Amino acid sequence: GQQVQQSPASLVLQEGENAELQCNFSTSLNSMQWFYQRPGGSLVSLFYNPSGTKHSGRLTSTTVIKERRSSLHISSSQTTDSGTYLCASGLSSGSWQLIFGSGTQLTVMP
Amino acid sequence: DPKIIQKPKYLVAVTGSEKILICEQYLGHNAMYWYRQSAKKPLEFMFSYSYQKLMDNQTASSRFQPQSSKKNHLDLQITALKPDDSATYFCASSHPTEQYFGPGTRLTVL
Repeated sequence: GQQVQQSPASLVLQEGENAELQCNFSTSLNSMQWFYQRPGGSLVSLFYNPSGTKHSGRLTSTTVIKERRSSLHISSSQTTDSGTYLCASGLSSGSWQLIFGSGTQLTVMP
Repeated sequence: DPKIIQKPKYLVAVTGSEKILICEQYLGHNAMYWYRQSAKKPLEFMFSYSYQKLMDNQTASSRFQPQSSKKNHLDLQITALKPDDSATYFCASSHPTEQYFGPGTRLTVL
């Protein structure tokens, strides 16, 4: 079936430390999109990354399609990075739907 | 300015009643979606529309009916509400595959 496995489920860092979040996705899925879910619930798209590496400020996303994996690297974490990070992979089935992972709850301590 | 508007932000309903969740997008996208996030579950895909036509339906119940009156509108009608329908409902749009999400409607069914 279509699956997206996200790890770790939770992560606690001291401010300034780096974080590495991982997603693995099954063979029927393609591409990867990373989101930040605010404490209030809204989703912010961080990266749409079908393959390769993309950078945005302190964030880096790397997707290796052949290995069915994607990662999100956060460097020099800040307390404002705290929240839930979601990865989602695309399934083409008449339309394009996203299959979501269970999320990583990140807490950055001052 | 918000590019995807969902109304209302919060909704409380009684079991057995009917509600309509509103979604409007101003991104010029042709594809629109509904997703649901229940407590302790990953976001799950419900429907997709393209050019106002239903493309994919992953909901098991006919109580959930999307309605597209305009190109940039995709409302969700839910009838005979049950407590299990309590969740946050997200509308999204895309062109072609990167998806952008609205702020969500948090529905509580008593």
